[in-house]
Amino acid sequence: SQTIHQWPATLVQPVGSPLSLECTVEGTSNPNLYWYRQAAGRGLQLLFYSVGIGQISSEVPQNLSASRPQDRQFILSSKKLLLSDSGFYLCAWSVTDMNTEAFFGQGTRLTVV
Amino acid sequence: GQSLEQPSEVTAVEGAIVQINCTYQTSGFYGLSWYQQHDGGAPTFLSYNALDGLEETGRFSSFLSRSDSYGYLLLQELQMKDSASYFCAVRGGGYNKLIFGAGTRLAVHP
Repeated sequence: SQTIHQWPATLVQPVGSPLSLECTVEGTSNPNLYWYRQAAGRGLQLLFYSVGIGQISSEVPQNLSASRPQDRQFILSSKKLLLSDSGFYLCAWSVTDMNTEAFFGQGTRLTVV
Repeated sequence: GQSLEQPSEVTAVEGAIVQINCTYQTSGFYGLSWYQQHDGGAPTFLSYNALDGLEETGRFSSFLSRSDSYGYLLLQELQMKDSASYFCAVRGGGYNKLIFGAGTRLAVHP
């Protein structure tokens, strides 16, 4: 069966510090991978998605970047965090067809102080 | 671009029926899906409609009208545990891109 791992679950970082959130998927090959951010009580904002190794599409100009060094690994990074980067970050995967079912990791609650 | 609109909040009582509407705009349509998210948790998949009509899964049903760019999620026999946020989502701008609405917060009261 397929599983998705995302860590850490919570993170408190000072302004200006770097960030690295990692997501890995098991039990499937060549998944679509997604990073979303959710502000408190709000919707899911698509940040990045990837259809293959090294292929990253950015949706929103921002202080973040993403990389996919391996087929089932997706990393969200920042060189210098801003207060506005605080939020709930969710990684997700789906199969590469039109079925819109996506499977989410448990999320990382990031607080920038 | 792609956009989805759904009501921000809905309130209902236990045992009632509630309908959450979603209208969408997207370049290229590959289906409408619904997700549930409890506070502090991750979204979980509920249903998917690729064709017009009603799909039923237990107490939950989802409807799609492609000509109206409209769908809804119908929740029957509401239970307290159904209190959560519900999101509609579409693939647009290429079927690999999954876009979510802002979510509807459902509060179920005794």
